[in-house]
Amino acid sequence: NAGVTQTPKFQVLKTGQSMTLQCAQDMNHEYMSWYRQDPGMGLRLIHYSVGAGITDQGEVPNGYNVSRSTTEDFPLRLLSAAPSQTSVYFCASSYSRAGAYEQYFGPGTRLTVT
Amino acid sequence: KQEVTQIPAALSVPEGENLVLNCSFTDSAIYNLQWFRQDPGKGLTSLLLIQSSQREQTSGRLNASLDKSSGRSTLYIAASQPGDSATYLCAVYNNNDMRFGAGTRLTVKP
Repeated sequence: NAGVTQTPKFQVLKTGQSMTLQCAQDMNHEYMSWYRQDPGMGLRLIHYSVGAGITDQGEVPNGYNVSRSTTEDFPLRLLSAAPSQTSVYFCASSYSRAGAYEQYFGPGTRLTVT
Repeated sequence: KQEVTQIPAALSVPEGENLVLNCSFTDSAIYNLQWFRQDPGKGLTSLLLIQSSQREQTSGRLNASLDKSSGRSTLYIAASQPGDSATYLCAVYNNNDMRFGAGTRLTVKP
């Protein structure tokens, strides 16, 4: 198993540009989520999905879109990048939404918006 | 709104010392609590998962406890080693929402 994979590892964007951060897992997990990590603030939930075709907002969803067309993939789209979106982004997955299972994290994407 | 706090923010200890990291949360209605390790520039690695019905979990030199009623968890590391140097994060999970503390940065000096 590759676990949770994320691409790209690093990205620099100009203000106003759009892009998609890719996330994939090969563990047949139902639950997938996106977090951002900023210095001194811990991780904050952006969006999550409890299964293919089902997504919902987390704590900080503004400026981001997600979709879940397959169990394996959960891309995060930045619609119009802003400097406030400079952060490290982590994708995670878990076997079930019930909260009884461990969350597995990808290696992260470091995004800089100039 | 659930808030998770970790104290101290940073800790430096000599090799071999036993140590305790603290995590507190404001809403006791949680499904589970998870402790993670994060190395610089890397993702998170799960260390221990404690279900809401459990009081503690152990893995090797690590022991995590959970007291839901007081909103506290501790991570005990026995006989610390330089390889334990990392940031340790706790997170509480409820209703599809996982809330993280800001972490404790641990340095174990040889």
